Amino acid sequence: GAGVSQSPSNKVTEKGKDVELRCDPISGHTALYWYRQSLGQGLEFLIYFQGNSAPDKSGLPSDRFSAERTGGSVSTLTIQRTQQEDSAVYLCASSLGGITDTQYFGPGTRLTVL
Amino acid sequence: AQSVSQHNHHVILSEAASLELGCNYSYGGTVNLFWYVQYPGQHLQLLLKYFSGDPLVKGIKGFEAEFIKSKFSFNLRKPSVQWSDTAEYFCAVNRGGSQGNLIFGKGTKLSVKP
Repeated sequence: GAGVSQSPSNKVTEKGKDVELRCDPISGHTALYWYRQSLGQGLEFLIYFQGNSAPDKSGLPSDRFSAERTGGSVSTLTIQRTQQEDSAVYLCASSLGGITDTQYFGPGTRLTVL
Repeated sequence: AQSVSQHNHHVILSEAASLELGCNYSYGGTVNLFWYVQYPGQHLQLLLKYFSGDPLVKGIKGFEAEFIKSKFSFNLRKPSVQWSDTAEYFCAVNRGGSQGNLIFGKGTKLSVKP
């Protein structure tokens, strides 16, 4: 069956520009997570959506980062005024919603900020 | 803050050698524990998880892990590695309760020589 998909797979942008990264979770999964993977920092949690509840934004590194999830499905992560330190692989995962449920990861979006 | 430590950054083994990758976490309350693997060019995928019951957990591809609560550890083991086990391995934790987001260790790269 279809897994988690993310687009674009690669994004190169100039410092100061805004970028949008998209995640399509597995159908029927109520929980959606964004993480980022960077050299030296490993995998860091960014934001978590669970059903219709308010998202857990506790991992967002600055107010330049925001995310939304429309209709309980597709999610978009937006980074405004990108900085070089934002360069990383942004990973999306989805699950059935329980905290012991397996999170299924997408292939990631590799963001490079020049 | 809660953290996950993986002691080995890079492990190099010959085929048929036994493997043990260390993982320790810092949180004292109820935790759920996971090992994920990332094969070259592939997504992160779940190897095994523990949330209750028998502390010795068996996963895919012959891997197992043992939860030792007194040591805050969840070490990954395999009695005989294969070249195809070459990958990066990540230990992760989430807290019991409602916080589903995973806190990851920095990963251990395993290289298996044929």
